[in-house]
Amino acid sequence: QKEVEQDPGPLSVPEGAIVSLNCTYSNSAFQYFMWYRQYSRKGPELLMYTYSSGNKEDGRFTAQVDKSSKYISLFIRDSQPSDSATYLCATSTGSYIPTFGRGTSLIVHP
Amino acid sequence: GAVVSQHPSWVICKSGTSVKIECRSLDFQATTMFWYRQFPKQSLMLMATSNEGSKATYEQGVEKDKFLINHASLTLSTLTVTSAHPEDSSFYICSARAYRVEHGGNEKLFFGSGTQLSVL
Repeated sequence: QKEVEQDPGPLSVPEGAIVSLNCTYSNSAFQYFMWYRQYSRKGPELLMYTYSSGNKEDGRFTAQVDKSSKYISLFIRDSQPSDSATYLCATSTGSYIPTFGRGTSLIVHP
Repeated sequence: GAVVSQHPSWVICKSGTSVKIECRSLDFQATTMFWYRQFPKQSLMLMATSNEGSKATYEQGVEKDKFLINHASLTLSTLTVTSAHPEDSSFYICSARAYRVEHGGNEKLFFGSGTQLSVL
């Protein structure tokens, strides 16, 4: 079992939809949880960073962590075509070297 | 946010030649930088940790004589792919840790824009 599992998609939604992206992880020692957005042939961009369980909101983005079920989510409200990208979840124990999921490809069509 | 500059963005080379990729932290000092490799539709694979002024730490299975890493200053790390072969064709990405208040403090990982290497 990989340490971080993520469905590669693609996930295709109409503009304005609420998008839900998810990951599961196996290592209970993970304390830090990140979401990165990666456009094609570009480096990942840090979107959200959370510590331990709970929710964190930033504009249209909400990150949710449930450590009891080892499940992390990213919600995007009012999705836009410019949100079309690959979204990578990542976790770490605090060593600041994260373990990445394989990424979910999101397509928001007008 | 923290800016990490990576050059070149694209490089095409002949088999057997060497290619150097540069990674610079523009607005902060990075004592540690990381080099990743990414295949299409796959996750980021950590290749090595680059430490300023000392030898890099390579992940298991990564040939240190093939992927030479130099971190000569607090703002620059280089990855040289020596005697490149077609199987080395991939997307290489560097990253560096930086402290940013806007991301809740603590150190976060920021990435360069990546280098697509194609070996003919």
